[in-house]
Amino acid sequence: AQSVTQLGSHVSVSEGALVLLRCNYSSSVPPYLFWYVQYPNQGLQLLLKYTTGATLVKGINGFEAEFKKSETSFHLTKPSAHMSDAAEYFCAVSSTGNQFYFGTGTSLTVIP
Amino acid sequence: GAVVSQHPSWVICKSGTSVKIECRSLDFQATTMFWYRQFPKQSLMLMATSNEGSKATYEQGVEKDKFLINHASLTLSTLTVTSAHPEDSSFYICSAGGQGRGIYEQYFGPGTRLTVT
Repeated sequence: AQSVTQLGSHVSVSEGALVLLRCNYSSSVPPYLFWYVQYPNQGLQLLLKYTTGATLVKGINGFEAEFKKSETSFHLTKPSAHMSDAAEYFCAVSSTGNQFYFGTGTSLTVIP
Repeated sequence: GAVVSQHPSWVICKSGTSVKIECRSLDFQATTMFWYRQFPKQSLMLMATSNEGSKATYEQGVEKDKFLINHASLTLSTLTVTSAHPEDSSFYICSAGGQGRGIYEQYFGPGTRLTVT
């Protein structure tokens, strides 16, 4: 069985500050891990994904995430928040790349 | 990159009528398509998985007679909400599975906002 927990349904940061969105997963097999961003009334856009290899994954828009197996975590970070980063962020896990399990999402607010 | 479209992007219908939502993979063949439902401020809930040419597999608690899914070709899947009721109002998102860099990825459509009055 697989599941995803996103700690903090709402996160607020000042513009230019560090963004940290937390994601912990459970999986009985090596997981594929994903972060998606969703803007209002739009679908999901892939930010980054971890499959195998390097545990630090770089994505679009300056985001990156690190897969930490010992902590079963895949936290999303960005060194400097921009106003355009305000959105809903979803972490997802999959074992086959087929069926995805999504976290409940984190709403990011960027304060000017 | 892989592009998935949905039509319509939003629809309003009266209670008791049926609504069809199309999901198309524009530049790749999708052997599998997924349908999700998203309530306001909530996560995506997988409704069903459809494979081209076969019956869809529904998640527990999803009424297959109410949410009819057809995956007639490798580029098109449709979701029909039959006898819609206000509680069916939601944001419906499809995704299509395709080969991407060695693993099976999902590419998401932009979603369809359904409002039942």
